[in-house]
Amino acid sequence: EAEVAQSPRYKITEKSQAVAFWCDPISGHATLYWYRQILGQGPELLVQFQDESVVDDSQLPKDRFSAERLKGVDSTLKIQPAELGDSAMYLCASSPRGSGLNTGELFFGEGSRLTVL
Amino acid sequence: QKEVEQDPGPLSVPEGAIVSLNCTYSNSAFQYFMWYRQYSRKGPELLMYTYSSGNKEDGRFTAQVDKSSKYISLFIRDSQPSDSATYLCAMKPGSNYKLTFGKGTLLTVNP
Repeated sequence: EAEVAQSPRYKITEKSQAVAFWCDPISGHATLYWYRQILGQGPELLVQFQDESVVDDSQLPKDRFSAERLKGVDSTLKIQPAELGDSAMYLCASSPRGSGLNTGELFFGEGSRLTVL
Repeated sequence: QKEVEQDPGPLSVPEGAIVSLNCTYSNSAFQYFMWYRQYSRKGPELLMYTYSSGNKEDGRFTAQVDKSSKYISLFIRDSQPSDSATYLCAMKPGSNYKLTFGKGTLLTVNP
């Protein structure tokens, strides 16, 4: 069964350090999302890509966060410098062209759990 | 007031019980309503999807939407220990809009 792959699963870093997360969506899925889920909260969208273009990054803290999807396939989310409040689960999701936007069905990866000390 | 309110629980029930999970919302423009299930240390997975008002049934799961009350529910019949997870409601106004998630309700079904 096709899955969204994410790495690393767990990351512990000290504040002010740089961290990066990688996501490989389900093959053929044109839309890719990065969500942040703080413990006890629902996921919040950070950035959405359609192919290699950013569709929505209104909630991405651009002073320290960046995201790219250069060839419209896999994606990287970077945080530099990390702050204590960035401790959360970073979820990547993908959806097929068309259907995901209508039904809301996003296929999520297992997430990357970040702890900032 | 948050756009989507969901009681975080935790909710603990015995095996076989009927479970009711609920969300309220304030944005009357929401048209698409979903329930996601999230097991511990995993990503969410879509459980049920409903467009506009009404009921939808899938096996032991029933989703209800009452737009007049801005209230959605998920019912689980004959609950099983494998249903133990966090249930997230999610909704959006239209096909090109982002999903707004509730906080999630942590459910434990005890054997």
